[in-house]
Amino acid sequence: DVKVTQSSRYLVKRTGEKVFLECVQDMDHENMFWYRQDPGLGLRLIYFSYDVKMKEKGDIPEGYSVSREKKERFSLILESASTNQTSMYLCASSKGGRTEAFFGQGTRLTVV
Amino acid sequence: GEDVEQSLFLSVREGDSSVINCTYTDSSSTYLYWYKQEPGAGLQLLTYIFSNMDMKQDQRLTVLLNKKDKHLSLRIADTQTGDSAIYFCAEVRGKLIFGQGTELSVKP
Repeated sequence: DVKVTQSSRYLVKRTGEKVFLECVQDMDHENMFWYRQDPGLGLRLIYFSYDVKMKEKGDIPEGYSVSREKKERFSLILESASTNQTSMYLCASSKGGRTEAFFGQGTRLTVV
Repeated sequence: GEDVEQSLFLSVREGDSSVINCTYTDSSSTYLYWYKQEPGAGLQLLTYIFSNMDMKQDQRLTVLLNKKDKHLSLRIADTQTGDSAIYFCAEVRGKLIFGQGTELSVKP
């Protein structure tokens, strides 16, 4: 079974803090994604990566950056957390050339 | 429109059929997906349909695709309380684009 693991289920951070959300997948997938989920808005794509050291902006990249130094790990970085970044963050991966994505359990981030 | 659209809520009684509807945007989408999200969990791929199919059945699940109207539906037969979840449809437009999700509530 594909396993996508997010490092934290719940996080509480202060405004202005630098926040790292980590995601690891164990199926040698080329593609990795970060989404945020908000009520009534569905999932919105923040950033994605098709290969190591490659990244592409999604629909809402502002206030975020990403890092993919190894194939299995994709990190989402909030350089200076703000209260409007309080959300559920979902990481996903998929095999190159395939579109069905496998999701982690999600990290519920609260910025106070 | 630009967005994949779903109604936000659906409530059914246990044993009834549930139909969750979705309107997508790109008539050239090759795959269309249904994902299920149980409370406190990530998304789980439920089923998918190729664009050259009109219908796909998998046990209690039936997916119907109307390409002319860009309409996708998911029917769950004999709905159980364990089917209570949020259901997302998704289309491929270079990447996966999700609808807002339909929260299905199953009452005993």
